Amino acid sequence: GENVEQHPSTLSVQEGDSAVIKCTYSDSASNYFPWYKQELGKGPQLIIDIRSNVGEKKDQRIAVTLNKTAKHFSLHITETQPEDSAVYFCAASRNSGGSNYKLTFGKGTLLTVNP
Amino acid sequence: DTGVSQDPRHKITKRGQNVTFRCDPISEHNRLYWYRQTLGQGPEFLTYFQNEAQLEKSRLLSDRFSAERPKGSFSTLEIQRTEQGDSAMYLCASSLSRATKNIQYFGAGTRLSVL
Repeated sequence: GENVEQHPSTLSVQEGDSAVIKCTYSDSASNYFPWYKQELGKGPQLIIDIRSNVGEKKDQRIAVTLNKTAKHFSLHITETQPEDSAVYFCAASRNSGGSNYKLTFGKGTLLTVNP
Repeated sequence: DTGVSQDPRHKITKRGQNVTFRCDPISEHNRLYWYRQTLGQGPEFLTYFQNEAQLEKSRLLSDRFSAERPKGSFSTLEIQRTEQGDSAMYLCASSLSRATKNIQYFGAGTRLSVL
């Protein structure tokens, strides 16, 4: 089955700096890669996603890049703010007919943005 | 759109007791997932419904676990003869199969503590 590795497990940055979180996946059939943000006591919330036919996607301060050949994908947050502090999870799934679309998650990255 | 709703938010039980959790998905979402999240880990897939049909169960789902989605709307997850190892956050997610990306929206979860 799919295995997703995520690094680093903790990341501390100063407000205004950039943060980068990296993930690798094992199943070459995976074609959908979402990123979720989880705040204390809440469920994961989707912040950005990318499909395997795209190499990069950006949404304001957040961007995701995907290298299918290397099976790597990364989350980039620029101009970090204290409210970005949370646990971030990467995930991978097969989104195609006949699959169950289940998400396989990394272990998470605790991001702390210091004011 | 009121989001995915889970009840209860917290459940404390004694070892050996049975517990049942409820999930109400986003209206019209035909896919429903259950995940389990332990401290410091990402969510792990447990089971998946398309409408009322349970299409896949993880090997994590022992015989003590059962899930239903009787009318293709809300779902219940029951754990019989709870064990301390069942202590975790149980997350429900829903998605719409007609959508192009099958984005999964998560509820806030039910936190189970088995004493």
